Order: sequence, then C-alpha cells, then structure tokens
Amino acid sequence: QKEVEQNSGPLSVPEGAIASLNCTYSDRVSQSFFWYRQYSGKSPELIMSIYSNGDKEDGRFTAQLNKASQYVSLLIRDSQPSDSATYLCAVEGNTDKLIFGTGTRLQVFP
Amino acid sequence: DTEVTQTPKHLVMGMTNKKSLKCEQHMGHRAMYWYKQKAKKPPELMFVYSYEKLSINESVPSRFSPECPNSSLLNLHLHALQPEDSALYLCASSQETATGYTFGSGTRLTVV
Repeated sequence: QKEVEQNSGPLSVPEGAIASLNCTYSDRVSQSFFWYRQYSGKSPELIMSIYSNGDKEDGRFTAQLNKASQYVSLLIRDSQPSDSATYLCAVEGNTDKLIFGTGTRLQVFP
Repeated sequence: DTEVTQTPKHLVMGMTNKKSLKCEQHMGHRAMYWYKQKAKKPPELMFVYSYEKLSINESVPSRFSPECPNSSLLNLHLHALQPEDSALYLCASSQETATGYTFGSGTRLTVV
C-alpha cells in the first residue's frame, strides 16, 4: 500500500462547480497535512494546511481532515479555469519529512 | 517572487559535463531539501539538510552530490549525468516539516 494515495484523474468539472479532491494516507501517527497546487512545468505552491479533524476554510478552498478514516480532502468552490492544475496531497511522515501523493489533475472547463 | 531562489532556471548539459544547481532561502529556515520531479510524477526526495546534518536518499546515484556552504545555501553538484536524469529539480525549505515546505521555482535540467 502506498503511503499517500490520490486518484490521478483527470477530474473534469464545469466552471462554477465544486471540485472535490481526495487523499488517503497509511501512517496513523501523521499530524500535519498539506495541499499543494502545481501548474504544468512550475513548482508546487502550498495552498492549504490542516492539522485537526474537521474543516478549514480559506477563501474558495476548504480542507477536510478525518484522522480516524485517514482521509483528507480539498474542496474548491466556484471553480475557475485558472484552477486547472495538478493538486498534490502531502503528509508529514514519521521521519520528519513530507510524503507526497501522486497528484490529481483537475480540469475546469468554461 | 519566491523566497527560495534557484539558479539557473534552465540547464542543458552533456553527459561529460560538470555543473551545479544553486539554491538560497531567505527565510531563516532550519531545513533545506532537494527534490527531483519527472513529468506527471510526484516530487522525489533526494537530500535533506537539517540542523547542520545532511541526509541522503540512498537510491540517489553518486553522480549527484549536495553541498551546504551555510544554513541558507544548498547547492547540488552534477557530474556525468545520464539522459534519464533529465527532470525538474526543486529546492525547498522549511522551519519545521509540520508547517510545510516552500519550494523554489525549480531548475529544468536536460541531459543530452
């Protein structure tokens, strides 16, 4: 089992819709969780961090964490074509390093 | 402008060349990292410099060698690379892993 798993997509949503991105992780002791956005050919950009169970909202983005289910998600409301990118889930591993998922490619069409 | 600066942005080198990638962070972070990323793949950790100690991913070939002149610089020396080493090389820094990493803009490396 991979340490951090994501559906590779592509996930296609129409402009204005809610995009839902999911991630599961295997290490139960993980405490810190991150979502990075990466445009093609560019470096990853941190968009959300979450540490406690529940929801965390920042503008159009909401991160959700359920440690019992080892599940973290990212919701993007009012999706825009500029949100089209690969979204990487990252989890703090037990070796004090981030473990990245393979990423989900999101396509928002007009 | 990113607070982690990588140079050069693009590099084309032959298999017999020696080159260096440079990374500097301006945030006083205690840890710096080098990642390699191939197309449509997640970043793969190569090296970590944290608390003045260098950690190496054992799967990284010896033709890659890191150098840390001080706590804000982490260079990557390249020698006798292979075409399969062509990738985006990312530098990152963090104060603590728990607060996430800040990435530089990357160096696109092509080995010919």
